[in-house]
Amino acid sequence: AQTVTQSQPEMSVQEAETVTLSCTYDTSENNYYLFWYKQPPSRQMILVIRQEAYKQQNATENRFSVNFQKAAKSFSLKISDSQLGDTAMYFCAFMRDSGGSNYKLTFGKGTLLTVNP
Amino acid sequence: EAGVAQSPRYKIIEKRQSVAFWCNPISGHATLYWYQQILGQGPKLLIQFQNNGVVDDSQLPKDRFSAERLKGVDSTLKIQPAKLEDSAVYLCASSLEASGSAEQFFGPGTRLTVL
Repeated sequence: AQTVTQSQPEMSVQEAETVTLSCTYDTSENNYYLFWYKQPPSRQMILVIRQEAYKQQNATENRFSVNFQKAAKSFSLKISDSQLGDTAMYFCAFMRDSGGSNYKLTFGKGTLLTVNP
Repeated sequence: EAGVAQSPRYKIIEKRQSVAFWCNPISGHATLYWYQQILGQGPKLLIQFQNNGVVDDSQLPKDRFSAERLKGVDSTLKIQPAKLEDSAVYLCASSLEASGSAEQFFGPGTRLTVL
């Protein structure tokens, strides 16, 4: 079974600064996907960024980027130029590439990020 | 494009009562997921449907939980009888297909409180 660990329950950052959220995972699979989801106080989960394990290049989406270290099983999220709207719970998630129809997400416990003005 | 709809948004019941949640996925999405999110934890998959067939229900407590997706569109999740530990947010998600490249879109969730 796969497990996802987020070791930082809470973090805070000043507006316009950069923050990095940590995530490690445990799997024996070679083909998989990793995700960061954002859950604002309204509770609707939104996909922030996705990384395919077979790709060595780190994914980037505007102010959001990841540092994917496959050998270390580490997948951190960097948020640059933090904005007040980035305040949310951030979940790291793992998905096994089953090759069939089973594509469930396994989530970590989350990191509550607060962006201060 | 309309998102994933869920109702009710909030529900409070006594233990041993029954409750049902409804989910309407994004139009055209073949895959539907129900997740349970207990306070302080990440969501956990309860059941995955591909059209109207069950792909994975390995973590669904089948003695009290049931789910169906008739006609491969809307879905309902039922709990009967409810226990205190069922207090959680129940999230429905849908994706165009069952694959790692197909984004899962989440609904706003139903917050269940069992007293």
